[in-house]
Amino acid sequence: GAGVSQSPSNKVTEKGKDVELRCDPISGHTALYWYRQSLGQGLEFLIYFQGNSAPDKSGLPSDRFSAERTGGSVSTLTIQRTQQEDSAVYLCASGHPGTGGRRGSTEAFFGQGTRLTVV
Amino acid sequence: LAKTTQPISMDSYEGQEVNITCSHNNIATNDYITWYQQFPSQGPRFIIQGYKTKVTNEVASLFIPADRKSSTLSLPRVSLSDTAVYYCLVGDTGGFKTIFGAGTRLFVKA
Repeated sequence: GAGVSQSPSNKVTEKGKDVELRCDPISGHTALYWYRQSLGQGLEFLIYFQGNSAPDKSGLPSDRFSAERTGGSVSTLTIQRTQQEDSAVYLCASGHPGTGGRRGSTEAFFGQGTRLTVV
Repeated sequence: LAKTTQPISMDSYEGQEVNITCSHNNIATNDYITWYQQFPSQGPRFIIQGYKTKVTNEVASLFIPADRKSSTLSLPRVSLSDTAVYYCLVGDTGGFKTIFGAGTRLFVKA
């Protein structure tokens, strides 16, 4: 597709249930990021995948959160035993990391996000 | 990770030039500076990126002084549709392993 695709666009779930959020990155992009954005707040980094390297999970808020990236493409963010504080928009982005030793030279392309509401 | 500081909000009128300054005093030698724009209910969108001096594209200009401890995003002749949140990011991996922060909420008035 032309851009990053996320599904579902909206998800309402009951407290204690597990949810899976999907991200289809732009074809060929080696980097994939997950962020969380609460209402009126900035983006909170969750996890970063780069090629075949071990993912950077340093932003995951608890062990209820996990993510996978299969075949270097599609990624799934799983939240187990959801809590009301998990309600937020979950954004996925993909891109190419910078080269030549320059950090932050990636242009990331974001999806529209999944709005998760835990009731 | 380099921390960034931006004004919380700014107001402007249509047709004016808007300059948003971001402070990043502990920027590292290899860090790029990137700006994103976010409209309500949408993911952030890349605006411009630079390392030093001045960068210009069809949307904006980015001014970076020699010490690189700050940067200024310049939006020429803003319109109502430029009302959005603008985020300044610095460095690390893809430049995103950091909390974006609240950004700067720009309100453009008629």
